[in-house]
Amino acid sequence: TQLLEQSPQFLSIQEGENLTVYCNSSSVFSSLQWYRQEPGEGPVLLVTVVTGGEVKKLKRLTFQFGDARKDSSLHITAAQPGDTGLYLCAGEDGGSNYKLTFGKGTLLTVNP
Amino acid sequence: NAGVTQTPKFRILKIGQSMTLQCTQDMNHNYMYWYRQDPGMGLKLIYYSVGAGITDKGEVPNGYNVSRSTTEDFPLRLELAAPSQTSVYFCASSYADWSPLHFGNGTRLTVT
Repeated sequence: TQLLEQSPQFLSIQEGENLTVYCNSSSVFSSLQWYRQEPGEGPVLLVTVVTGGEVKKLKRLTFQFGDARKDSSLHITAAQPGDTGLYLCAGEDGGSNYKLTFGKGTLLTVNP
Repeated sequence: NAGVTQTPKFRILKIGQSMTLQCTQDMNHNYMYWYRQDPGMGLKLIYYSVGAGITDKGEVPNGYNVSRSTTEDFPLRLELAAPSQTSVYFCASSYADWSPLHFGNGTRLTVT
């Protein structure tokens, strides 16, 4: 069974601060997805990283896939209250969504 | 486009009762999925379908049943509800088995 460990589990910061959350595994994944989930809603895909060492930027969010494709990080610059939510990573191995392994998530609160 | 629509949003069941969680999508996606999300546990796949008439078990199928008579609809049936089935249930769809998941906004179910 493949496991994805996310850290920290909870993070509360002030508006304007920077932060990094992590997604780690002992298994290799073909690709890794990051989702954001707001209260009362379903997860929404932010990005998919596929190549080891890949870095993708989405405005103030920077996603990195580890060289060995076992870990990933999400860095947010100058966090805003609108960034508040549960950040989930999901690893895929085998080219099928039904083989996705989800992490338990990092709950981020950005205080104004 | 409404995307993925789930009903009801909330439901309370007594132990032993049964119910059907409804899921419909208007994106003409062949692939549909049911997940459950428990606090601190991430998303677990219950059942999935690769097209009308075809369903298969995910990681945690016990106590649930599904059917897929049309492309649009993928209902999840709970027979003999148990407290362990208290959870938030998410339906998702995708164009292909490797393409991004589109989630509904969930059904919060409490079994007492």
